[in-house]
Amino acid sequence: DAKTTQPPSMDCAEGRAANLPCNHSTISGNEYVYWYRQIHSQGPQYIIHGLKNNETNEMASLIITEDRKSSTLILPHATLRDTAVYYCIVRVRGRAGTASKLTFGTGTRLQVTL
Amino acid sequence: GAVVSQHPSWVICKSGTSVKIECRSLDFQATTMFWYRQFPKQSLMLMATSNEGSKATYEQGVEKDKFLINHASLTLSTLTVTSAHPEDSSFYICSARDGRIPDTQYFGPGTRLTVL
Repeated sequence: DAKTTQPPSMDCAEGRAANLPCNHSTISGNEYVYWYRQIHSQGPQYIIHGLKNNETNEMASLIITEDRKSSTLILPHATLRDTAVYYCIVRVRGRAGTASKLTFGTGTRLQVTL
Repeated sequence: GAVVSQHPSWVICKSGTSVKIECRSLDFQATTMFWYRQFPKQSLMLMATSNEGSKATYEQGVEKDKFLINHASLTLSTLTVTSAHPEDSSFYICSARDGRIPDTQYFGPGTRLTVL
C-alpha cells in the first residue's frame, strides 16, 4: 500500500471549513484513498473514500487531485465535536469476501476551537 | 451504520493474570475481524486478523501464544491476553468486516487494559 504524509496537527475555528491535506505521491492506479478519524479514547470512524473523482457525503467532501498524488478532506462547518485525529489511508480496495488490512499512519490532530 | 461492541470497555488486572476481551458485531455477520493495539499518543497497530472458523493470522512481532484469538462465530471474536504484564497495558480495538459489503470495516469503541 502506498505511503501517505499528513501534517501532524492543525487548528480550525468552529464554523469554518477544515481542510486536511494528504500526500500520496506513490499511489498506484488501483489504490483508493480512505479517511478515518479517531476521537480521543474511541475507535476509529469511517468518513469517506474515493478513487479519482471527488466525493461528498453527509460528513465531508474528498477532493483528489487530477494526478491523484494528493487529496484534501474538507469538513465544511467544523464543530468542537470534530476535534480528533484524522487518518488518510491509501490501499487497494478489497473485493467482497476478501479481507483487506488498514495500515494507520500518524494522522493529523485537528483541534477545533471556539 | 453497522455497530461493533467491545466488552469490557476498561479493565484493570494484576500482573500474571489473563484477560479476555470480546468483540461483537451487533447487526451483521462478520466474516473477518481485526485486532489493533494503540499505545498512548501513538497510532493503531494491527495485531492480527481473524476469520470465522479458522486460525488467526498474526502480524510480525506479535506473539500468538500471548495474544490468543478465537473467532468462533460470525458475530463474536475474543482476544485473550495471557499472563499480562505492565507493558501490555494499552488500548485494544477490534474491527469487523461485513462480508456482504466490499471492503468496509466497522470499529469497536475499544478496551483500555491496565496491568498493575
